[in-house]
Amino acid sequence: DAGVTQSPTHLIKTRGQQVTLRCSPKSGHDTVSWYQQALGQGPQFIFQYYEEEERQRGNFPDRFSGHQFPNYSSELNVNALLLGDSALYLCASSLRQAFSGANVLTFGAGSRLTVL
Amino acid sequence: DQQVKQNSPSLSVQEGRISILNCDYTNSMFDYFLWYKKYPAEGPTFLISISSIKDKNEDGRFTVFLNKSAKHLSLHIVPSQPGDSAVYFCAASEGNYGQNFVFGPGTRLSVLP
Repeated sequence: DAGVTQSPTHLIKTRGQQVTLRCSPKSGHDTVSWYQQALGQGPQFIFQYYEEEERQRGNFPDRFSGHQFPNYSSELNVNALLLGDSALYLCASSLRQAFSGANVLTFGAGSRLTVL
Repeated sequence: DQQVKQNSPSLSVQEGRISILNCDYTNSMFDYFLWYKKYPAEGPTFLISISSIKDKNEDGRFTVFLNKSAKHLSLHIVPSQPGDSAVYFCAASEGNYGQNFVFGPGTRLSVLP
């Protein structure tokens, strides 16, 4: 049973460019959340998708956008890249139901973005 | 404004001894807390959780304690093993679904053989 898979694992972009990161959730999960982890910090919530709609959003500018497809996979898009966008981007999947101890986030290994 | 704090960036413990990792939070609306462990080049993996209606939860070598009045929780690992060496993140959530987690900055645990 495959867990959460993310692609690409590493990428390098220059300032002003745009990037798309992809995520396939764990089998059976219907909700995808994206987190940004800067060096030396904990993951920071970007947004969450369920039923192909953005349901919650953290404190990130509109340059960060996303999409969820009918098969529950998701994309994270970042426009007009800044040096400060360099980070590890983590995708996490879960099952959308009344929260219980069993329904925790399952994370992928992340996509490491470097902006030069 | 950090809502979840882990004030010890690193911790070293001898194999077989107890490891205690601490976490403080400021948001009194948080009602669910989790600990995640992260190895290099891997995503965080869930370790143990506790809801605000409890003050202790135990799973094998791992025990989490919650002190709501102090807005403090701790993770105890007994006995510590070299394979426990990793970065540990404390995370908290509020609300019905609890899926918008706020993470602390992490504590790097090194268990020395």
